[in-house]
Amino acid sequence: DVKVTQSSRYLVKRTGEKVFLECVQDMDHENMFWYRQDPGLGLRLIYFSYDVKMKEKGDIPEGYSVSREKKERFSLILESASTNQTSMYLCASSFQGTSNYGYTFGSGTRLTVV
Amino acid sequence: AQKITQTQPGMFVQEKEAVTLDCTYDTSDQSYGLFWYKQPSSGEMIFLIYQGSYDEQNATEGRYSLNFQKARKSANLVISASQLGDSAMYFCAMRESTGFQKLVFGTGTRLLVSP
Repeated sequence: DVKVTQSSRYLVKRTGEKVFLECVQDMDHENMFWYRQDPGLGLRLIYFSYDVKMKEKGDIPEGYSVSREKKERFSLILESASTNQTSMYLCASSFQGTSNYGYTFGSGTRLTVV
Repeated sequence: AQKITQTQPGMFVQEKEAVTLDCTYDTSDQSYGLFWYKQPSSGEMIFLIYQGSYDEQNATEGRYSLNFQKARKSANLVISASQLGDSAMYFCAMRESTGFQKLVFGTGTRLLVSP
């Protein structure tokens, strides 16, 4: 069964900590994405990557960075976590080009920054 | 820029009834794709149905159908014969037709199905 795996379902971190959220996909997808989901705001794109070592800013990249050293792995980094980064983080992947299936998503990581 | 609007924060339906979740979109592109996803309490986003802008027929997948009205820029999801397991968040999304073809999501509708 193909899947996108996020390393943690729940995380609690302290303000100022450096936080790594990991995402791995086994579908050989070129594209990978990080979204954050907040009530009333839907899903907002933080960063995405269309190839190894390539990255593009999404709509809300401030306070975040990403790393993609291997095709299957896409990491989201919070350099210095703040309470306003408490949220649900969703990773997704897709093939390049048009697709009738959109993205495949992971189960999400619910991050709380205290 | 593309935009998706879901005006219903929450919807209630009784089991076995049909329900329509609204979605309107804004784009100047002629070619685009529209998606609906379901997010149960477990958190994972589950793909439900897809409609291409050039598709003449409304998409259907089992109990799900997409009421596509291109002139009105609406893409409503219809769930027939609701089941308790349909209780979840539902997101409408549109794929950009240019650049990296990212998905743009609406704010979602929470559906509660009661016995």
